[in-house]
Amino acid sequence: DIQMTQSPSTLSASVGDRVTITCRASQSISYWLAWYQQKPGKAPNLLIYKASSLESGVPSRFSGSGSGTEFTLTISSLQPDDFATYYCQQYHSYSRSFGQGTKVEIK
Amino acid sequence: QVQLQESGPGLVKPSETLSLTCTVSGGSISSNHWSWFRQPPGKGLEWIAYIYYSGSTNYNPSLQSRVTLSIDTSKSQVSLRLSSVTAADTAVYYCARGDYGSGQIWGQGTLVTVSS
Repeated sequence: DIQMTQSPSTLSASVGDRVTITCRASQSISYWLAWYQQKPGKAPNLLIYKASSLESGVPSRFSGSGSGTEFTLTISSLQPDDFATYYCQQYHSYSRSFGQGTKVEIK
Repeated sequence: QVQLQESGPGLVKPSETLSLTCTVSGGSISSNHWSWFRQPPGKGLEWIAYIYYSGSTNYNPSLQSRVTLSIDTSKSQVSLRLSSVTAADTAVYYCARGDYGSGQIWGQGTLVTVSS
């Protein structure tokens, strides 16, 4: 199975900050990576698919990059609505798997 | 727009079978992959399985011996059965549409508690 490791687990930031979350795969997954945002009590919301493609309706301050084993999600200017937990998911291997999540908190 | 709604019992006894249905509205169930995910209270997300509209399936190896997915295109429904449940299967269960087990459109989720 492919293990997905996100860092950091928690991130404290202020409105307007540039935020970067990293996701590493235990083996190459090419570009088969998605990023989700989840708020308490809500279903996840797809932000990025195929590592760098922005899902329709998602603000352009969100961007994704990477391929192979290392990926990043960047929020160019953090907004109040962005305080949430973020997950990466690989959908390359037979068994899809998620990172453990990164909680973005208000500093 | 496409909407997904999970339904089923909120309480299941240990050793019994959990059965959930995802009803798709506002769009076709055909030509798409349909997944089930779950999230134990306070924990992260876990992919359970996906099914293509043709009926082909892909299961999480850790759950494969206990999981069955099925699809009824005439009713626009995808069903999940998880047998021999324990307290560790207590979670919010989500269905979702997305390519190859990703989640582009999600249902609101349904909490299933395993308890006697």
